[in-house]
Amino acid sequence: SQQGEEDPQALSIQEGENATMNCSYKTSINNLQWYRQNSGRGLVHLILIRSNEREKHSGRLRVTLDTSKKSSSLLITASRAADTASYFCALYEKLTFGTGTRLTIIP
Amino acid sequence: DTEVTQTPKHLVMGMTNKKSLKCEQHMGHRAMYWYKQKAKKPPELMFVYSYEKLSINESVPSRFSPECPNSSLLNLHLHALQPEDSALYLCASSQDPRGLEAFFGQGTRLTVV
Repeated sequence: SQQGEEDPQALSIQEGENATMNCSYKTSINNLQWYRQNSGRGLVHLILIRSNEREKHSGRLRVTLDTSKKSSSLLITASRAADTASYFCALYEKLTFGTGTRLTIIP
Repeated sequence: DTEVTQTPKHLVMGMTNKKSLKCEQHMGHRAMYWYKQKAKKPPELMFVYSYEKLSINESVPSRFSPECPNSSLLNLHLHALQPEDSALYLCASSQDPRGLEAFFGQGTRLTVV
């Protein structure tokens, strides 16, 4: 089944900096979701963006969707140690995930 | 109640044992999911139940047997597992059967010895 491909695979930044990760896909989508997983725990839904939306915000999170480029980005502003986690995008109606981006925030 | 509860949190079983994992939600969600996750890998979808009927089986070996006794409960019956089946097993639920805005449990850490 189709699933997104997140990049980079790993990202380390200083606390307080912004983190950007991307999700690319190959066929048309109706919606795209971002999830976070802290080490060894369940996933948490962050944001759902629909194909007719270009940008969405939730607190320090900003998600963009470019359907012409078949890509989405997740921006976390003013990062905190608690943002250390793996981030996944989910595209299709079977809720499957790509390899994810492992984000490490350095205090 | 916006939780998905999985029990047990940890399970060690022998290769000849039969055990079950349990997942419960009381949000009225109509879709429930089982995932397997190995260390440093993404969750792999195993099964999806939609309106209490099995809608997706991702070619999972028959030693894993899902069951959905009612709309709030999802079980995963385990029999004759192999050591390579050791993993974190995650359950999720969503109101929308397309998997939108799903809630995940904290998982069961399974070790097969």
